[in-house]
Amino acid sequence: AQSVTQLGSHVSVSEGALVLLRCNYSSSVPPYLFWYVQYPNQGLQLLLKYTSAATLVKGINGFEAEFKKSETSFHLTKPSAHMSDAAEYFCAVDRGSQGNLIFGKGTKLSVKP
Amino acid sequence: KAGVTQTPRYLIKTRGQQVTLSCSPISGHRSVSWYQQTPGQGLQFLFEYFSETQRNKGNFPGRFSGRQFSNSRSEMNVSTLELGDSALYLCASSLRVGDPSSGNTIYFGEGSWLTVV
Repeated sequence: AQSVTQLGSHVSVSEGALVLLRCNYSSSVPPYLFWYVQYPNQGLQLLLKYTSAATLVKGINGFEAEFKKSETSFHLTKPSAHMSDAAEYFCAVDRGSQGNLIFGKGTKLSVKP
Repeated sequence: KAGVTQTPRYLIKTRGQQVTLSCSPISGHRSVSWYQQTPGQGLQFLFEYFSETQRNKGNFPGRFSGRQFSNSRSEMNVSTLELGDSALYLCASSLRVGDPSSGNTIYFGEGSWLTVV
């Protein structure tokens, strides 16, 4: 059975600092992994998606994530945080034929000026 | 290309009432799924519809139901509302190419905020 664990429910960084949001997955089959972002009072927006084509995945807004099978991780990074990055971020794994995503609990990112 | 559209965006209902939420998927997408988001439980899968058939269902009571129309639009209904049903209900759509559908990108709408008083 697939599952996702996001380490840290809240991460705070200074503007211009590195953003690192952690996600570990559990899957008995090669996983399809996603990162979504949710701004206040909005739905989920896809940041990026891993489908085994490349281990380093580039997404929107300068975010990228690296798939590491040996560590069962898919951490999200951005070299330099911007105030507009303040939001909640969700890591998710595709359940395949079950037709749905399994989400982590989310990490709320705060960016200090 | 229009995204996933959900109506209404906000609504307040009384315990015991029922509610119907509507979702229009991205044009060409045939799979529609619904999720419930609450502060305590996070994002939980309700059900998925494809070609007017419910293909998958999450662990929710029978008060939660849905349907999909021939144009892929979907509705979900919650009967006999309870306070705990207060949540953001998110609709998502995808092409669902192939079976299994692994790797299909799932796009979400803005959600419908339901408050039960």
